[in-house]
Amino acid sequence: LAKTTQPISMDSYEGQEVNITCSHNNIATNDYITWYQQFPSQGPRFIIQGYKTKVTNEVASLFIPADRKSSTLSLPRVSLSDTAVYYCLVGDPFSGGYNKLIFGAGTRLAVHP
Amino acid sequence: EAGVVQSPRYKIIEKKQPVAFWCNPISGHNTLYWYLQNLGQGPELLIRYENEEAVDDSQLPKDRFSAERLKGVDSTLKIQPAELGDSAVYLCASSAAEGGKRFFGPGTRLTVL
Repeated sequence: LAKTTQPISMDSYEGQEVNITCSHNNIATNDYITWYQQFPSQGPRFIIQGYKTKVTNEVASLFIPADRKSSTLSLPRVSLSDTAVYYCLVGDPFSGGYNKLIFGAGTRLAVHP
Repeated sequence: EAGVVQSPRYKIIEKKQPVAFWCNPISGHNTLYWYLQNLGQGPELLIRYENEEAVDDSQLPKDRFSAERLKGVDSTLKIQPAELGDSAVYLCASSAAEGGKRFFGPGTRLTVL
């Protein structure tokens, strides 16, 4: 399973764009990149998943360069309610090993007024 | 659509006492996961079920932890006897298929005194 590295914490202000980068140098050919968000006293929530280039949904965008050794979660115009922990996970959803995905400590994003 | 339901939300017990957590996954989800989350850390997988079969329990401390998923729907995670180090949040998640997007419940916060 590919190991991921992401910043422990980030600070931002309301209305700004936030980019959280995750490094995964050992990503395998069949691996996908998945991001989860966790608010205090709640379980993690799926945000976005991608394989290459760019994926966008109503919550975020995910940018993946051609070498796929890193990825960037982009949150446009954050609000106070985006304060949470963000986890980057890498694995092949179609292999049994995907179920052993390690969440790691994640990135604690604090959005300030 | 109802999400993953867990109960109780909070539990305080004395060490050496037994404790049980209950999870009702999203209807139709065959895969069920139990995770443990320590303060400041990401969730760690304890056990995974495919229908009623525990297909991965390699991370479950079997000397004191047990789990069951009768009829392939609801699941119960038990600790007997509890130790101080078991204080954590116990999360249940489900997915429609192996490797699919995981939906987490709110968790049960266990405090062992």
